[in-house]
Amino acid sequence: KAGVTQTPRYLIKTRGQQVTLSCSPISGHRSVSWYQQTPGQGLQFLFEYFSETQRNKGNFPGRFSGRQFSNSRSEMNVSTLELGDSALYLCASTPGTGKLFFGSGTQLSVL
Amino acid sequence: KQEVTQIPAALSVPEGENLVLNCSFTDSAIYNLQWFRQDPGKGLTSLLLIQSSQREQTSGRLNASLDKSSGRSTLYIAASQPGDSATYLCAVNDRGSTLGRLYFGRGTQLTVWP
Repeated sequence: KAGVTQTPRYLIKTRGQQVTLSCSPISGHRSVSWYQQTPGQGLQFLFEYFSETQRNKGNFPGRFSGRQFSNSRSEMNVSTLELGDSALYLCASTPGTGKLFFGSGTQLSVL
Repeated sequence: KQEVTQIPAALSVPEGENLVLNCSFTDSAIYNLQWFRQDPGKGLTSLLLIQSSQREQTSGRLNASLDKSSGRSTLYIAASQPGDSATYLCAVNDRGSTLGRLYFGRGTQLTVWP
């Protein structure tokens, strides 16, 4: 079974631009969560989707948004990028057991 | 708000040593606790998942214990190897929250030298 797939692996953007990151969960997993990881703040929860509905949201500004499609694939979008948005963005899926399976992440650099 | 603390922040040991990594959390109303491993620039790999009703879980050379009432968990690594070098993260899932919402500690960076 393929693992959680995140694309692209690396992204370089400039301030003010917007970016879309993609996540394909493990086949059969309907829940997808997103996390931001930075050296200063560690791992912080962004949001969680299940059956195309956002079930939980972390404490991030409205510039961070996401969605989930009927095939459980998920995207997150960051608009009006700031330097502080530079981070590793991780996606995880779960089959409902509580065990989370993470992708390799998208490393976003904002210049 | 749940807060997770991991001690020590970094650990450097010679190969073959037995290790104990510590994790504490402030709210004992948890659903489960998980230990992850992260290699530099990579995603997280789940090592062990302990449900709130369990006291410990074992996988190979790894053993994790949970004392929910005191808000503590330990990860024991037996006979450490250089390949164990990585950052180890502890995370809890609060009771009443959704399964994908974890609170993470800052991790313990482990270096095992030959």
